[in-house]
Amino acid sequence: GQQVMQIPQYQHVQEGEDFTTYCNSSTTLSNIQWYKQRPGGHPVFLIQLVKSGEVKKQKRLTFQFGEAKKNSSLHITATQTTDVGTYFCAGTTFMDSNYQLIWGAGTKLIIKP
Amino acid sequence: DTEVTQTPKHLVMGMTNKKSLKCEQHMGHRAMYWYKQKAKKPPELMFVYSYEKLSINESVPSRFSPECPNSSLLNLHLHALQPEDSALYLCASSQAPSGGAEQFFGPGTRLTVL
Repeated sequence: GQQVMQIPQYQHVQEGEDFTTYCNSSTTLSNIQWYKQRPGGHPVFLIQLVKSGEVKKQKRLTFQFGEAKKNSSLHITATQTTDVGTYFCAGTTFMDSNYQLIWGAGTKLIIKP
Repeated sequence: DTEVTQTPKHLVMGMTNKKSLKCEQHMGHRAMYWYKQKAKKPPELMFVYSYEKLSINESVPSRFSPECPNSSLLNLHLHALQPEDSALYLCASSQAPSGGAEQFFGPGTRLTVL
């Protein structure tokens, strides 16, 4: 079936270092969404990318959607303790007469003490 | 009001019990979802309601029974669950069925089946 692969599974960084997570789909996506889930919390929508090659920024977060609309990345500059959590990408694809959201496995951002 | 509420927050039930999870949103969203999330895993879609009609059932066992009484409410009825059904159950809503619409998640119900 259709999959969205997300790597790495975990990333340990020192506070102030950068963080990047990557998603790759086996098929072309209609769009891709990014969510953040804090420990003990629920997923919270961050952003949606729709256009080929799109780049969007939210303060220290930069989101990219590949030219082929099959891959995406999230880059956080100068991480802070408030960035801790798991970041999920979720790609939208049209399948079985419905739009479906295919979730990546998530990347957990851990700040080293 | 941009909030999805879920009750209860925690639920412990035996394998012979019947219980219900409730979800409510007042954003005028026409799509509502039930997800199951195990630890260290992404949310796993269970059901989608679109305009109060069940549009997607991801081959979920019949011991889970969804209900959408109206456009603001979504229930999940539980009966004869197994210990492996213990998980965080998340409700979400979006303006339209998942054609790329942002999903708003509730805080979830943490279910333990003994």
